[in-house]
Amino acid sequence: QVQLQESGPGLVKPSETLSLTCAVSGYSISSGYYWGWIRQPPGKGLEWIGSIYHSGSTYYNPSLKSRVTISVDTSKNQFSLKLSSVTAADTAVYYCARQEGGYSPWWFDPWGQGTLVTVSS
Amino acid sequence: EIVMTQSPATLSVSPGERATLSCRASQSVSSNLAWYQQKPGQAPRLLIYGASTRATGIPARFSGSGSGTEFTLTISSLQSEDFAVYYCQQYNNWWTFGQGTKVEIK
Repeated sequence: QVQLQESGPGLVKPSETLSLTCAVSGYSISSGYYWGWIRQPPGKGLEWIGSIYHSGSTYYNPSLKSRVTISVDTSKNQFSLKLSSVTAADTAVYYCARQEGGYSPWWFDPWGQGTLVTVSS
Repeated sequence: EIVMTQSPATLSVSPGERATLSCRASQSVSSNLAWYQQKPGQAPRLLIYGASTRATGIPARFSGSGSGTEFTLTISSLQSEDFAVYYCQQYNNWWTFGQGTKVEIK
């Protein structure tokens, strides 16, 4: 069964770039599906950040688009998130997830366990 | 952006009772709607997609209905493990989530 695991620094300074990686096991990314990032500020709801197709096509949340880059590394079977110029408002649990889809992504399943990233000096 | 509004924010239910959760879209999303369950400290889990199709391994007590702008998640007989926060998510036009409904023990 497919499993996803996020990794990256738990603390990032304001104005710097947040970088996370999602390692996928039990399924080859190059075989298909979309792959997404979602975040959840402490005690709040879920916000879609962006998604990528295994071929590299990307979809970004318009509210974050200027700061977000998502890429895929099929040789390592992982995909990554970069969020630049972070502020305290970017403090959240960041989840990666596989997305079922057709001509565009649909729902998220399964999800990684999530990783808390705190933005603070 | 399509705004998803869930109600109520908190639902107090006794074990064994039925729970009905609502999700409203600011414009039609057809049947392109999913429901998730999230327990404290855990990632969300997919329950329903296509507004009414249960995901693999989801018990039959969970059911979804609706189309267009009005959707409902029903839990027919609440079990102890069902007390959690539930989110709806549309995938008709980009991807947005509702703010969640917390189902708590009455």
